[in-house]
Amino acid sequence: DAGVIQSPRHEVTEMGQEVTLRCKPISGHNSLFWYRQTMMRGLELLIYFNNNVPIDDSGMPEDRFSAKMPNASFSTLKIQPSEPRDSAVYFCASSTNNEQFFGPGTRLTVL
Amino acid sequence: QKEVEQDPGPLSVPEGAIVSLNCTYSNSAFQYFMWYRQYSRKGPELLMYTYSSGNKEDGRFTAQVDKSSKYISLFIRDSQPSDSATYLCAMKGAAGGSYIPTFGRGTSLIVHP
Repeated sequence: DAGVIQSPRHEVTEMGQEVTLRCKPISGHNSLFWYRQTMMRGLELLIYFNNNVPIDDSGMPEDRFSAKMPNASFSTLKIQPSEPRDSAVYFCASSTNNEQFFGPGTRLTVL
Repeated sequence: QKEVEQDPGPLSVPEGAIVSLNCTYSNSAFQYFMWYRQYSRKGPELLMYTYSSGNKEDGRFTAQVDKSSKYISLFIRDSQPSDSATYLCAMKGAAGGSYIPTFGRGTSLIVHP
């Protein structure tokens, strides 16, 4: 198995632009998580899905952030419009009951 | 106060030293305790997983949980430069089902030759 796949690995954009991050979870995992990691705040859970259904999105910072999981093998995290304070590394993770597997992350820079 | 507290470091030690990494927490409902290792520009990977209080050993790594003190530790014996990474503790209250751990901020460890 290739593990959790994320794209792009790096994204540099200008303030106000739309950003879409993509994730392919490990086949057979029924839970998917989006995290944001910064030096100041560490690893923050943004949203998680169980069986493609959003269960808890209380970590989504504001309405500019949205996430979808149209099927078991694909999820997106969209930021529109992006702001410089959104600059961070965004991780997707999928899980069995007892272990989360993280993707390599997308390093987002908003200028 | 955050639910899980972890000193960000960095912690710098010579090769061969015994390393002690620690986390404290405030939620007494936590029963499952994990340590993740994160190399630079990579995602976290699970290193150790323990339930309730006690010790668990895996090679050079020992995880220790003291629920009465709400304190967990990860010990690394005979540390190697390849152990240089950020170590995140994580913990949760329920087994199986929805897996939503609460993470510490991570401690950066540098093992120099």
